This record gives sequence, structure tokens and C-alpha cells, in this order.
Amino acid sequence: DAGVIQSPRHEVTEMGQEVTLRCKPISGHNSLFWYRQTMMRGLELLIYFNNNVPIDDSGMPEDRFSAKMPNASFSTLKIQPSEPRDSAVYFCASTSLGGKWTEAFFGQGTRLTVV
Amino acid sequence: AQSVTQPDIHITVSEGASLELRCNYSYGATPYLFWYVQSPGQGLQLLLKYFSGDTLVQGIKGFEAEFKRSQSSFNLRKPSVHWSDAAEYFCAVGPVSGGYNKLIFGAGTRLAVHP
Repeated sequence: DAGVIQSPRHEVTEMGQEVTLRCKPISGHNSLFWYRQTMMRGLELLIYFNNNVPIDDSGMPEDRFSAKMPNASFSTLKIQPSEPRDSAVYFCASTSLGGKWTEAFFGQGTRLTVV
Repeated sequence: AQSVTQPDIHITVSEGASLELRCNYSYGATPYLFWYVQSPGQGLQLLLKYFSGDTLVQGIKGFEAEFKRSQSSFNLRKPSVHWSDAAEYFCAVGPVSGGYNKLIFGAGTRLAVHP
């Protein structure tokens, strides 16, 4: 398996623009996480899906952020409108319940810069 | 509330020296514990995990960690550090609230290795 795939790897956008980050989890995994990493706040969990259903979105910072998982193989994180303080590395991770808890596998991240 | 504390933000060791990275957690039940490593510009890679059983767990790259319930700790160790071990290390605990497989990460410890 190719692992968790995120695109794009780097994104530079102007303030006010819409940004969409994409994630393809590992095939067969039924849980997906979006994390944000900054120097100031470290790794923050934004939202968590289980079987394509959002379970916990308490980490989503504002209404400008939204996430979807239309099927088991694809998820998006959208920021509209983007602001400079959204600049961070965004990670997607997936794992499998399958009756036994296991570790989360991370993608390589999307480095977002909002200017 | 569940939390993870990594008391050391930066650690510098000489190549060949031993290493111990500290991790303390606050958790209301038996936790699942993880150590991840992040190299610059990369995603997080699992080093090792503890679910149950033997409290001394072996991981990849020669790392090991010991779960000590009485001290609420899960410290990471390596007997002889290599220059390639320079990276950031994250301790994580899960599952969180409700049994869903949600991870809480510590702030990370950045390891520098002197030749």
C-alpha cells in the first residue's frame, strides 16, 4: 500500500482565497484524522471521522474550516476564506478499528502558507 | 482530562551516547501509548506502541520504551544514538473519551545529535 496520500504537498495562497486539502487514507482503514501542526500549538486534532461520519469536530478552529469524507477513500479539508494565521502543516492520518485498536498512519502533510 | 506532557522541548546528545526522552500522561483508564518520530519535512512515523502486556516494548531503529503505571510515564530510550536519530519525537496517548481511537499528542521533544 502506498500509505496515506495527501495533496498538494505545498500550497501558497493569498488571504481570502479558498483552500482545499486532500487526503486518501490507507485502503481498508475506517478512521481518518485531520491534524494541524504549528510551532506555537504543536499537533492539534481538528476533526475525526469514523466510517465516513464526522465523530468529533471540536478541534475545528472556526466556521471557516470544514471537512468532508464522501467515501472511504477520500477526504477534504477546506478553509474559506483563508487567513495568514492558518499557515501551518496539515496532516491526515488513518487507522483501522477492526475490533482492535492500532496505530495511526500519517501522510507527509500539506504545508500551507497564506500570504 | 486526558493529556500528555513531554517536559523537554530540546535535547542535545553526542553521537554514541545514551538517550532518554520523557513522557508523562494523565488518563482515567489503561491507556494505549505511542511514540512517533518526525524528520524535517516529513510526516510522523510510529516508533513503538504499548497496548498491554510486557511493560518494556521494543520498537524500530533500536528504540525501546517502558510503561510505568505508578509514575504515569512512558519514557523512550536508546542505548547509543546515531546522527540520523536527530528529529522531533512525539509521545501520544489514546483512545480518548468514548473509546474512539483519537490520539492526544505531547508537544514534542526536538533531538539534536552532536558528532
